[in-house]
Amino acid sequence: EVQLVESGGDLVQPGGSLRLSCAASGFTFSSYWMHWVRQAPGKGLVWVSRMDRDGSYKRYADSVKGRFTISRDNAKSTVYLQMNSLRGEDTAVYYCARGGNYEWNALDVWGQGTTVTVSS
Amino acid sequence: QSALTQPPSASGSPGQSVTISCTGTSSDVGGYNHVSWYQHHPGKTPKLIIYEVSERPSGVPDRFSGSKSGNTASLTVSGLQAEDEAEYYCSSFAGSNSLLFGGGTKLTVL
Repeated sequence: EVQLVESGGDLVQPGGSLRLSCAASGFTFSSYWMHWVRQAPGKGLVWVSRMDRDGSYKRYADSVKGRFTISRDNAKSTVYLQMNSLRGEDTAVYYCARGGNYEWNALDVWGQGTTVTVSS
Repeated sequence: QSALTQPPSASGSPGQSVTISCTGTSSDVGGYNHVSWYQHHPGKTPKLIIYEVSERPSGVPDRFSGSKSGNTASLTVSGLQAEDEAEYYCSSFAGSNSLLFGGGTKLTVL
């Protein structure tokens, strides 16, 4: 079964850091672009970041650029999101999602999400 | 990186058809055929229902269809069923630096 399982969400103070993980199974992880998408409480989906198959190409939304870093370990079939200098507006459910072989492919598999709360 | 524009709500009775619009610009929706639609039931995982403007993934009923004209994409749900009640999001590739989502449309089956 194709599956993505996120972990690492927590309550963190403003200015703090957190690392999210997303473990993939059921498919050849190294063949796919991977994305992070978030949903703030009561709001819609917002794309956060994406990475190509071998980790050499990374892109970020303006709102997180310079604070968040996406990475992957193909040997572990895991993608990560390192989040630094967290702000209240980063509070959201964070989903990892599978892209395709190309940067523009749709997101066809999503994880169940992990909740990040930034509050003092 | 402005979000795509969707109506906040849409509704229809069982068996009817409803169309949800998604308006962007020539830099996203109008510039690429990489528009997708996602169905999101509360508490569940978003589900891809349309990709590349009008393609349906395996297992998605043909009651769901997509189209595009200029800077506006559309999702049509025909033969509405109770289980279609959900939030629907459009998305468009917007070049190397972005992927845009719409604000979401809550579809109510009356």
